[in-house]
Amino acid sequence: AQKITQTQPGMFVQEKEAVTLDCTYDTSDQSYGLFWYKQPSSGEMIFLIYQGSYDEQNATEGRYSLNFQKARKSANLVISASQLGDSAMYFCAMSSLPASSASKIIFGSGTRLSIRP
Amino acid sequence: DAGVIQSPRHEVTEMGQEVTLRCKPISGHDYLFWYRQTMMRGLELLIYFNNNVPIDDSGMPEDRFSAKMPNASFSTLKIQPSEPRDSAVYFCASRLDRDRDTEAFFGQGTRLTVV
Repeated sequence: AQKITQTQPGMFVQEKEAVTLDCTYDTSDQSYGLFWYKQPSSGEMIFLIYQGSYDEQNATEGRYSLNFQKARKSANLVISASQLGDSAMYFCAMSSLPASSASKIIFGSGTRLSIRP
Repeated sequence: DAGVIQSPRHEVTEMGQEVTLRCKPISGHDYLFWYRQTMMRGLELLIYFNNNVPIDDSGMPEDRFSAKMPNASFSTLKIQPSEPRDSAVYFCASRLDRDRDTEAFFGQGTRLTVV
């Protein structure tokens, strides 16, 4: 069975600092995908970044980068130069790609990030 | 495309009543997911469909919950009878099936309150 673990329920960071949100996962699949989503207080789920298990380079999207360490089964999100608007709940998610059935996406418990001015 | 559309946005109902949540996925998407979000349990996958066929409903909490996808552009999640512990935000998401992974696009959610 697949599992996503986010061990930081909450974090406080000073504006303009970089922040790393931790995510570890467990899967027996050879191929899988890792995602990060942001959920601001308004409630919508916003896709941020994706990393495939077969991708050799870490994914980057603007101020977001994914520190993917396959051997450690970790996929940490790094936000550079944090902004007040980054205050939100952040979810790590994983898709399974089993050979013979469709692929589902499961989520971790989330990390609440608060940016201090 | 307008994105994933869920209705209603808010629903308040009395215990014992039937509740139907609706979802219109993004046109052309092959997967549709129903999630439930609560403070205690986070984001739980309830059920998902691929090409309108239910693939895995192991996350559906009880027989009181049922979901259908009669065509590629519509899905419902029904709770009958509803209970106060069903109060949560219910999200629908859709996803395109391609050779590589694609992200899931979420609707705005339906906030359900059962009193």
